Amino acid sequence: QSVLTQPPSMSAAPGQKVTISCSGSSSNIGNNYVSWYQQLPESAPKLLIYENNKRPSGIPDRFSGSKSGTSATLGITGLQTGDEADYYCGIWDHSLSAGVFGGGTKVTVL
Amino acid sequence: EVQLVESGGGLVQPGGSLRLSCAASGFTFSTYWMNWVRQAPGKGLEWVANIKQDGSEKYYVDSVKGRFTISRDNAKNSLYLQMNSLRAEDTAVYYCVKGYGSSWSHWGQGTLVTVSS
Repeated sequence: QSVLTQPPSMSAAPGQKVTISCSGSSSNIGNNYVSWYQQLPESAPKLLIYENNKRPSGIPDRFSGSKSGTSATLGITGLQTGDEADYYCGIWDHSLSAGVFGGGTKVTVL
Repeated sequence: EVQLVESGGGLVQPGGSLRLSCAASGFTFSTYWMNWVRQAPGKGLEWVANIKQDGSEKYYVDSVKGRFTISRDNAKNSLYLQMNSLRAEDTAVYYCVKGYGSSWSHWGQGTLVTVSS
């Protein structure tokens, strides 16, 4: 049971938008940067968003991140079949000196 | 191109030991924090440990403290994880990950560790 809570699954049709939430508390999300990771089937995770809303080079702008208070959100617009994957939020908790991941959200493209 | 290649996984009995290695290339290894992150079969990601550029700071998840030791050899561009007193719940794919804070920017393909009798 992670201290960062994500919905276990979400689904949407191709071309639609999904918004994945990552809920925490003032001691974790509230005081730390949030990052997001995509894990395609049978693959290693890949960084999608870092420092709440920044995209590494090569990540399309269909992926966006935001943070407000003790929650963060990953948005995916123009959903494609290739976006079917597990998505994880993550933080470095400075008070614990430890990394923490959310439980993950499986996105299905209908 | 950043490459991280893990090795050393395998089948080990409960209470046994294993040493994982990660060979890094494509970046200046000595200037980056490095991490180990694991994923149990069918489960989510769990951060395990990290180490500062010069090895002077190391942090661990509570469940492995006192059993696992992270280390690095900057001359060999290599990261290690010594795992002792292994338990069934340590069974997972272990990923070598480059990055500081929660910006875990590059991941290896992982090596599977199975703890079973």
